[in-house]
Amino acid sequence: EVQLVESGGGLVQPGRSLRLSCTASGFTFGDYAMSWFRQAPGKGLEWVGFIRSKAYGGTTEYAASVKGRFTISRDDSKSIAYLQMNSLKTEDTAVYYCTRGRITIFGVVTYYFDYWGQGTLVTVSS
Amino acid sequence: SYVLTQPPSVSVAPGQTARITCGGNNIGSKSVHWYQQKPGQAPVLVVYDDSDRPSGIPERFSGSNSGNTATLTISRVEAGDEADYYCQVWDSSSDHSGVVFGGGTKLTVL
Repeated sequence: EVQLVESGGGLVQPGRSLRLSCTASGFTFGDYAMSWFRQAPGKGLEWVGFIRSKAYGGTTEYAASVKGRFTISRDDSKSIAYLQMNSLKTEDTAVYYCTRGRITIFGVVTYYFDYWGQGTLVTVSS
Repeated sequence: SYVLTQPPSVSVAPGQTARITCGGNNIGSKSVHWYQQKPGQAPVLVVYDDSDRPSGIPERFSGSNSGNTATLTISRVEAGDEADYYCQVWDSSSDHSGVVFGGGTKLTVL
């Protein structure tokens, strides 16, 4: 059974840093892309960033709202994906979800996200 | 950047058919994926690659995509289908690649 468990959320002051972890089980972690999403209270889903599998270069992509502040990494030996969040702002307050990415290529590349963790709440407030 | 437009809300009576649209410029050239999110829960993938269903998703959920509109169709709607629904594409047309979501549609079962 595929499981994704986020940890590391909590209350943090503006300007500080926080690192989230996503521990995966039930699949060969290194074969998949991993992505982070977030959802502010009462708002829609927002993509945060993405890391490809090593087979596709292990490269990352980020939403404009977090680029330069957030960093995604992965440790395939431990089946863990990380989201390092620096210079946090009050508008970063949200539930953060870790997801597994699937790639399909029909002339163009597309990714979708077939398993989601239950999320971890990050509150940025003084 | 690429924009996806969804109606904020759709209402349907039990047993009827709900259609949730997702508009985007030439979206028919992209693969569209749909997620269901019930209150307090994580999203669940219900349709991927325009019209494929993950295992465990009822056949009542189907998708189509052509021109400037993708559509999620829910047949024989049940009370348990009441949720927010989001469409998603992977956009690699700008100077970087990334995920784009529609704003979400709240499905109300009357």
